[in-house]
Formats: sequence, structure tokens, C-alpha cells
Amino acid sequence: RKEVEQDPGPFNVPEGATVAFNCTYSNSASQSFFWYRQDCRKEPKLLMSVYSSGNEDGRFTAQLNRASQYISLLIRDSKLSDSATYLCVVNGATGKLIFGQGTTLQVKP
Amino acid sequence: GAVVSQHPSWVICKSGTSVKIECRSLDFQATTMFWYRQFPKQSLMLMATSNEGSKATYEQGVEKDKFLINHASLTLSTLTVTSAHPEDSSFYICSARDSRRASYNEQFFGPGTRLTVL
Repeated sequence: RKEVEQDPGPFNVPEGATVAFNCTYSNSASQSFFWYRQDCRKEPKLLMSVYSSGNEDGRFTAQLNRASQYISLLIRDSKLSDSATYLCVVNGATGKLIFGQGTTLQVKP
Repeated sequence: GAVVSQHPSWVICKSGTSVKIECRSLDFQATTMFWYRQFPKQSLMLMATSNEGSKATYEQGVEKDKFLINHASLTLSTLTVTSAHPEDSSFYICSARDSRRASYNEQFFGPGTRLTVL
């Protein structure tokens, strides 16, 4: 079983749609959680950290369920520029970042 | 702040040659840097953790004699792919962690180096 699992997609949605991505992790001792965005042939960039109480940054909302070892990212009012791969990232037992495979989002006009 | 650079951004080389990739933290000191590799349509896989002034720690399955890492200063780590072969063609990305920042686990990524071995 992978340490961090994501549905690779792709998710094809129209502009303005709301889309949600999910991620599960296997190590219950993980302490830090992140969503990164990666554009084609570029490095990943931090989108937002994920806190236990849930957090929001503009159109993006991240939630963490420690009991179920589950992380989510919600994007509201999708823009064309949101098209990218979204990486679920978990801080592993030894402090290393463990990356999920990524979920690809394509926002269509 | 928290900018990480990599050089070169892309390289094409012949099979059997060695390639050196540099990773620099431009505006902070990085006691720890990480080297990742990403194959097409796959996730980033950690290759090794580079600690300033000490030997790198390699992940299982990564040959330390093939992927030489040197972290000689607080702002520079280098990865040398020795005797590169076509299967080493990949996107190599480094990241750096600034232990003085509040979010200690945050890593700042370089722009990556795309290696193609002919």
C-alpha cells in the first residue's frame, strides 16, 4: 500500500465548477500535511498547509480528518488557471515529505 | 524570500558520462537539502537527504556510489549522476529546509533539472 494515495484523475470540469480532491495516508504518526500544486514540467509549489481545524485560503479549502487519515482539498469557482496537478503531501515518520501521485485537474472554458 | 535555484535547468548527455547538478538556497541557510526524482506521470520520489557537513542519507534502492551528493556549505548541495544511462533520464528536483523558519517542515523547491541521457 502506498503511504499517500490519491486518485490520479484527470478531473475535467467547466469554469466556475466546484471540485474536490481526496487523499489518504497510511502513517497515523504523521504530523504535517500539505497540498502542493505542480504545473507541467515545473517544480511543485506549496498551495497550502492543512490544519486539523480545517483552513481556507480564498477559493481553496483544506480539511484533515485524523481519525480516518484523510485529507481533502476543495476548489470553488474553478478558473482556467487552476489547471494543474495537485499533490497531497504528508510529513512522514522520519520528518521526510511523502508525496502522493497527484491528481490532475483540467478546467475547460 | 526562500528562493532555491538549480543549475543547469536541463542537460543532455551521452551514456557513460557524469553530470553534476547544483542546488543553492539564495536567501537563507539550509542545513538540510533533499534530492528528488520524478519520472513522467509519477510522483516525486525522495532519493536522499543531504546534511551540511556530513554524509548524505540515501533512500532504499538508491545507489550512493552512482548518485554522489556533496553538501559542503550551508547554501549549496550538489548531486552528481555518475556514468549516466538512459534509464537515469528524469526530472531531478532539490528542496531546502530552513530550520529557523516557524514552519520547520516546509521545504522550498528548486525549479528542477531535466536530464536526458542519450
